[in-house]
Amino acid sequence: EAGVAQSPRYKIIEKRQSVAFWCNPISGHATLYWYQQILGQGPKLLIQFQNNGVVDDSQLPKDRFSAERLKGVDSTLKIQPAKLEDSAVYLCASSLEGLAATGELFFGEGSRLTVL
Amino acid sequence: KQEVTQIPAALSVPEGENLVLNCSFTDSAIYNLQWFRQDPGKGLTSLLLIQSSQREQTSGRLNASLDKSSGRSTLYIAASQPGDSATYLCAVISISNFGNEKLTFGTGTRLTIIP
Repeated sequence: EAGVAQSPRYKIIEKRQSVAFWCNPISGHATLYWYQQILGQGPKLLIQFQNNGVVDDSQLPKDRFSAERLKGVDSTLKIQPAKLEDSAVYLCASSLEGLAATGELFFGEGSRLTVL
Repeated sequence: KQEVTQIPAALSVPEGENLVLNCSFTDSAIYNLQWFRQDPGKGLTSLLLIQSSQREQTSGRLNASLDKSSGRSTLYIAASQPGDSATYLCAVISISNFGNEKLTFGTGTRLTIIP
């Protein structure tokens, strides 16, 4: 079974530029999450999708971050314009069923963003 | 607001020793708790999932316990090996203000096993 796929693995941009990250979850997983992990910290949820609908985007900086999951499968996360403090690893995760049940969370390897 | 704390932030122990990692959370109204492992430059790998009705889960040399009433979980690693070196994160699943399940992570413990 293929895992959660993310690209690109690494990206270096200058501040005020834009960047997009792509995620393909495990086949059949309805729930998709984007997390931001700053160095030395635990992951912080940015947005959660259930199929192609947004469940929680309360911590997404909507003035510069956007995300979509148009067909309920893969997803893109965009940052425009980027700030220095956006330097982090962006992790995508998916789950088959609700986390409160026996569902586990499966993570991709992440996309490391460096903003100069 | 749920807050998850892991102490210590870093730990170094000689190979072969048993060790305990700690996780505490402020809101005991959780559904379950997961322990993850993160290797440098990699994503997170789920190690153990403990339902709120359970008190512990075991997988190989790993044993995780959960005490909801005191807001604590421990991850016990027996007979540590250099390959256990990684960052270990705990995360609790609770219901957010929006009514959805929410996973809140701790900041992690960076473990180094000295050969």
